[in-house]
Amino acid sequence: DTEVTQTPKHLVMGMTNKKSLKCEQHMGHRAMYWYKQKAKKPPELMFVYSYEKLSINESVPSRFSPECPNSSLLNLHLHALQPEDSALYLCASSQEGFANTGELFFGEGSRLTVL
Amino acid sequence: AQSVTQLDSHVSVSEGTPVLLRCNYSSSYSPSLFWYVQHPNKGLQLLLKYTSAATLVKGINGFEAEFKKSETSFHLTKPSAHMSDAAEYFCVVSDPGRDDKIIFGKGTRLHILP
Repeated sequence: DTEVTQTPKHLVMGMTNKKSLKCEQHMGHRAMYWYKQKAKKPPELMFVYSYEKLSINESVPSRFSPECPNSSLLNLHLHALQPEDSALYLCASSQEGFANTGELFFGEGSRLTVL
Repeated sequence: AQSVTQLDSHVSVSEGTPVLLRCNYSSSYSPSLFWYVQHPNKGLQLLLKYTSAATLVKGINGFEAEFKKSETSFHLTKPSAHMSDAAEYFCVVSDPGRDDKIIFGKGTRLHILP
């Protein structure tokens, strides 16, 4: 069982829709991450929140908007996406505030399809 | 800056035979190294980690890896493959205490033949 919970598991949306992906962890971890993973590729870092503050934005297009309401929750708001944004979106957390620890705890991902 | 190279994109072994997944890294400092496994349509799970303690690291599900600084390698092994080991494996490097990021290898797909 994973201790990082992502919802929804699957999402299909049109290019004009607004939707959100949600992530929750109750391990007391201080850093949370969004990764994007295309088929047969490694995860690509999108955003990092450390102590509830955005610490890294990997030049992600503004149609992706992260939010960290508290230390246990992480959202990814989606608007005006393109078909090439279809991917598996993975949330992860780490115990310490972000430095560069590689010990990440991943959720099972949200499979996004943009039509 | 660090980097990581997984030498094989696909590895096929028969059930019950040994597994070897190869990983080489480059780092200016003393890195932390990790292996993650990803089953189809699932998230990534940590198999094992090296953080400058013992060079032979034991992980979950019978996997282990040996850190060899002279060879800049961190190969993943298992004595006897099981069908449930079929998955994608990622080698990961990071430099604790620095601003460099966590770097993922491109992955190795492990196929288990019956």
